[in-house]
Amino acid sequence: QQQVKQSPQSLIVQKGGISIINCAYENTAFDYFPWYQQFPGKGPALLIAIRPDVSEKKEGRFTISFNKSAKQFSLHIMDSQPGDSATYFCAALSGGYNKLIFGAGTRLAVHP
Amino acid sequence: ETGVTQTPRHLVMGMTNKKSLKCEQHLGHNAMYWYKQSAKKPLELMFVYNFKEQTENNSVPSRFSPECPNSSHLFLHLHTLQPEDSALYLCASSLALASGNTIYFGEGSWLTVV
Repeated sequence: QQQVKQSPQSLIVQKGGISIINCAYENTAFDYFPWYQQFPGKGPALLIAIRPDVSEKKEGRFTISFNKSAKQFSLHIMDSQPGDSATYFCAALSGGYNKLIFGAGTRLAVHP
Repeated sequence: ETGVTQTPRHLVMGMTNKKSLKCEQHLGHNAMYWYKQSAKKPLELMFVYNFKEQTENNSVPSRFSPECPNSSHLFLHLHTLQPEDSALYLCASSLALASGNTIYFGEGSWLTVV
């Protein structure tokens, strides 16, 4: 019940396309859903985050869509660029406590 | 540069060695974390410290021993490790332990156990 399931494991997108990464969870106590971006040789860095009281949050080319009833959330990268090539992790936490539960990660490659 | 510095960046150790990983944050944060990242599993939380007191030990084997002398420094002491402990060990910090405080990660220490 503490798991966050992420798909796909890897994704190849052409430059200018839309990248979509999906996550699902079971624990209804989760109340904060961040996405992290990790480049090779670097630690993960917070990209964007959402709370379940909103259905969508947009920051630049990055959008989180959240479906509370389905217990799913997704990351959309519009106009994908080669510089977006990285591994993306969804995560969740609950109970007012900063204990991140991570998905398995999606390796995104954006081809020119 | 996230403000969380880890040393060494790479470490190779034998199964009978004792070594330590060091983490330092220059962000004035009060909560610090150790995470393990391996190819076969999602990022796993190992330990949590808040105001230098341990608040979480996520069933980590005793061959990993954390130490937090102050809110800015965190160590992970390693002793009699196994080859399956080879992984990237990530240190992180946040201003507070409460949900929603952004967690900042260091670049990690790559550990290889031979």
